Amino acid sequence: GAVVSQHPSRVICKSGTSVKIECRSLDFQATTMFWYRQFPKQSLMLMATSNEGSKATYEQGVEKDKFLINHASLTLSTLTVTSAHPEDSSFYICSARLSYNSPLHFGNGTRLTVT
Amino acid sequence: QKEVEQDPGPLSVPEGAIVSLNCTYSNSAFQYFMWYRQYSRKGPELLMYTYSSGNKEDGRFTAQVDKSSKYISLFIRDSQPSDSATYLCAIDLAGNQFYFGTGTSLTVIP
Repeated sequence: GAVVSQHPSRVICKSGTSVKIECRSLDFQATTMFWYRQFPKQSLMLMATSNEGSKATYEQGVEKDKFLINHASLTLSTLTVTSAHPEDSSFYICSARLSYNSPLHFGNGTRLTVT
Repeated sequence: QKEVEQDPGPLSVPEGAIVSLNCTYSNSAFQYFMWYRQYSRKGPELLMYTYSSGNKEDGRFTAQVDKSSKYISLFIRDSQPSDSATYLCAIDLAGNQFYFGTGTSLTVIP
């Protein structure tokens, strides 16, 4: 149980275009989902916390207009990287939890390369 | 001081060895403790989850929490080459506040 699916696993786009990443909880409802960014050989950096039906809460230093997060249902959250630039190239990972005191379950990540 | 400290390694052991991975934390209010395994270019996979002091065992894995010392450990018995990965400790303050260690890179040599 507690499977989180993330798509696409890999995407290459041109500078200036937008990319959407989907995160789905397959066998549970997730009122809260989290979006992380991970640089090579580094730990996870929280970008934003996404709550179903409300605006996401962004961490300090994360541009909310560049990283648009939508949590339209209890099983789906999306991250859209708008007007992508090469410095946005990274590994993006979503996660979700079943309930308030349960652990995080992660998707398999999306490797974004902006050329 | 970081909320969670983890030795980054790298750690290299022969197959069959017992591996010990450790993290320390600073806030005694932390309530939930997790260990994740992350293979290269994949998302972290939950290995162990516990919320009390003491040991929790699952197959070859044992998670240990010592709240008085603010110290958590993950032991891997009979390590296998397939255990080669980065291991992340994570701590939850509750209220959606998770803190992750930097990860320990483990290589198990056949």
